[in-house]
Amino acid sequence: GESVGLHLPTLSVQEGDNSIINCAYSNSASDYFIWYKQESGKGPQFIIDIRSNMDKRQGQRVTVLLNKTVKHLSLQIAATQPGDSAVYFCAVINFGNEKLTFGTGTRLTIIP
Amino acid sequence: KAGVTQTPRYLIKTRGQQVTLSCSPISGHRSVSWYQQTPGQGLQFLFEYFSETQRNKGNFPGRFSGRQFSNSRSEMNVSTLELGDSALYLCASSFVWGRDTQYFGPGTRLTVL
Repeated sequence: GESVGLHLPTLSVQEGDNSIINCAYSNSASDYFIWYKQESGKGPQFIIDIRSNMDKRQGQRVTVLLNKTVKHLSLQIAATQPGDSAVYFCAVINFGNEKLTFGTGTRLTIIP
Repeated sequence: KAGVTQTPRYLIKTRGQQVTLSCSPISGHRSVSWYQQTPGQGLQFLFEYFSETQRNKGNFPGRFSGRQFSNSRSEMNVSTLELGDSALYLCASSFVWGRDTQYFGPGTRLTVL
């Protein structure tokens, strides 16, 4: 089955710096990848997604990079702000068996 | 478009009791899935319903059950509550589970005393 892991359970970044959160997945046949942000006491919130036929996608201050060769996904947050403090986790979907797997999450703390 | 809503937001129960949680998906979404989230275990998949049928199920005991109504609203029931059932229960909806983005509700925080 699919396994999804994050490289670091916690990450502290200075306000204004860029943050990079990484995710590794095991199934090379995975088709669709999503990043979620979960603030304390709230449900996960969709940030950005990317399909396997792409290697980069940009949103507002966020970029997702997909490296299918090494089965690695990353979320880059530019110019981090205090409001970016949250737990971030990735989700991986395999269309073939409709399998959806979540990573365990990285807690991002912004240092003022 | 309104997001996923869950009621109640907070619940306190005692061991042995049962509880019912409710979830209303985003309009047009027919798939509703439920997750248990605890600090140590992360997001654990409970089950998923599509068009009133349970299509996928995680590894939880039979005390955890659910159902979906014709309007896609879903309920989750936990019987004979145990202390270890204390968690944030999240509901998510999508057009088709395992095929597109899931959108989560705010969750129901269940505390079992």
